[in-house]
This record gives sequence, C-alpha cells and structure tokens, in this order.
Amino acid sequence: GAVVSQHPSWVICKSGTSVKIECRSLDFQATTMFWYRQFPKQSLMLMATSNEGSKATYEQGVEKDKFLINHASLTLSTLTVTSAHPEDSSFYICSAGRGANNEQFFGPGTRLTVL
Amino acid sequence: QKEVEQNSGPLSVPEGAIASLNCTYSDRGSQSFFWYRQYSGKSPELIMSIYSNGDKEDGRFTAQLNKASQYVSLLIRDSQPSDSATYLCAASSTGGGNKLTFGTGTQLKVEL
Repeated sequence: GAVVSQHPSWVICKSGTSVKIECRSLDFQATTMFWYRQFPKQSLMLMATSNEGSKATYEQGVEKDKFLINHASLTLSTLTVTSAHPEDSSFYICSAGRGANNEQFFGPGTRLTVL
Repeated sequence: QKEVEQNSGPLSVPEGAIASLNCTYSDRGSQSFFWYRQYSGKSPELIMSIYSNGDKEDGRFTAQLNKASQYVSLLIRDSQPSDSATYLCAASSTGGGNKLTFGTGTQLKVEL
C-alpha cells in the first residue's frame, strides 16, 4: 500500500508555456499533499502544502501565482507551472500524507526542462 | 528555526558491515521522525518511521530515537551495495501543519 503516482514523469516545454503535473494517491486518501522541488545535488525544498478543498499554503519565496496548486479530491492534487522559464527547470516531487502520524509517501517525481 | 542536521558524508562502509547514520533535531515539539532513502535521480522512499523513545526494527534496519538528547539514528545491518544512496532524516510536529523538516542527507557508500 501507500502508492503515489505522478504524471508526467518528464516534460520538455518552451519558455512561456504552462505545464500541469498531476499527483495521485492510488490506494489511500490523502487529506494533505505536499509539493517539493529539488535541484541537482541539493536538498528537497518544500514549495507548498495542499489541503483538499482549501487553498494551498505556500512557503516563503514561492510565488503562488506562478505555481498554481489545486487539490480537488482526496486522491488528486495538481501543480501548474505557469509561464515557465528555464530557471524553473527542476525535479518536482509530490508527497501524500497518510494516517494519524501523517507519514509522507512520495511520488516518483516529474523532471521539467524548460527550453 | 526548526532544524534537522545530518553529516553529509560520504560514509563508506564495507559490504556486510553495519552502517550507522545519525541525525539531530532542534525542535523539541517534534513528535514523528522518518528516514527516507533517495537514490540519485529518484524521489525519496520511506524506509522507517519512529514516534517513541527506543529502538524500532524492520528487517535489516533499526531506527533509534532519544527525545531527551534530540537524536535519531538509523542502523543498517549487513550493508549491501544496493544500500548505497542518500539517507534523509525528517521530523514533523503537529504544530507545524504536518510539514516535514528534512536534513540535508547523508550519502552512504557500501563498498565491495
């Protein structure tokens, strides 16, 4: 159990376009999902906390109008990178919280390359 | 500021040996602790969770928690080359909205 999927696994897009990444908890319901970004050889950086049915909570320095998060159901959260630029190229990873202790299970990640 | 600290390594151990990974945390309100394994280019994988003082064993892995010393450790017995990865320690508190605070990770290399 505790499987989280992400789609797509990788995407290449042109500068100025928008990219949507889906995160699904396949075998459990996740009230809370989290979105991270990781640059090569660096630590995970939490971008935002996504709660089902409410607005996401963004970490300091993360532009909410650029990184749109929607958590429409207990099994699906989406991250849309709007007007992507080359500096947005990164590894985007979601996680879903399960249980009273909110164990977080990570999706396989989405590698975004903006040309 | 809540912090979780780990030695970045690399920690090199011979195959078959015990690997000992350590982590300290600053927030005394932390209640849940997790060890994740992350292979290069992949996402983190949860390998151990621990919530109370003492030891918790799962196969070749043993997590140890000492809340008085604000210390968490992970022991890997009979280390295998496939254990070579970065190990991330994480802590969360209910007052933190269930967010995880991650350490920077310890790189483990298991040598043949």
